[in-house]
Amino acid sequence: KQEVTQIPAALSVPEGENLVLNCSFTDSAIYNLQWFRQDPGKGLTSLLLIQSSQREQTSGRLNASLDKSSGRSTLYIAASQPGDSATYLCAVGDLRTDKLIFGTGTRLQVFP
Amino acid sequence: NAGVMQNPRHLVRRRGQEARLRCSPMKGHSHVYWYRQLPEEGLKFMVYLQKENIIDESGMPKERFSAEFPKEGPSILRIQQVVRGDSAAYFCASSPQNTDTQYFGPGTRLTVL
Repeated sequence: KQEVTQIPAALSVPEGENLVLNCSFTDSAIYNLQWFRQDPGKGLTSLLLIQSSQREQTSGRLNASLDKSSGRSTLYIAASQPGDSATYLCAVGDLRTDKLIFGTGTRLQVFP
Repeated sequence: NAGVMQNPRHLVRRRGQEARLRCSPMKGHSHVYWYRQLPEEGLKFMVYLQKENIIDESGMPKERFSAEFPKEGPSILRIQQVVRGDSAAYFCASSPQNTDTQYFGPGTRLTVL
């Protein structure tokens, strides 16, 4: 059974820092991996999608990498800003079940 | 192209009442997914539907919960005889194909008193 874990569960940093959020999954049979952002009381915003054949994706200050064989993905946020404060969710598209399996998220707070 | 729409955004029900949650997928998307997010937990898959068909309902509780996606109109998630444990955020997502990116709606926050 696919399990997705995110570390750390919470993170509080001063603005300007470069951050790394980690996601690990137990079964490498995936078709993609997505990183989402969720603001309190709001829906999910897709940040980056990495297909299983890709190693990384970049969008602005965000970079996500995927190492399928080791079951890991990292989300790198450069020069963090207070507006980056949110919960970041990792989700894998599980090939065996055809489902999107979510981690429990990393709650990020960037203070001025 | 409007995004995935869900209504209502907030729903309050008393124990024993029925809750009906609606989801309109993005234009051109025929695949709809429902997820539940309990307080302080991650999103959990509930059901996957295509037009007029339930493809996978392995995440749905066996009783009181049902879902449909009719030929015309939005997808409906129906919870009968709600209990306090049903209080959660319910998210709908849509995609053009099953393994494509899923686009999420803003969610419906259900509170059962």
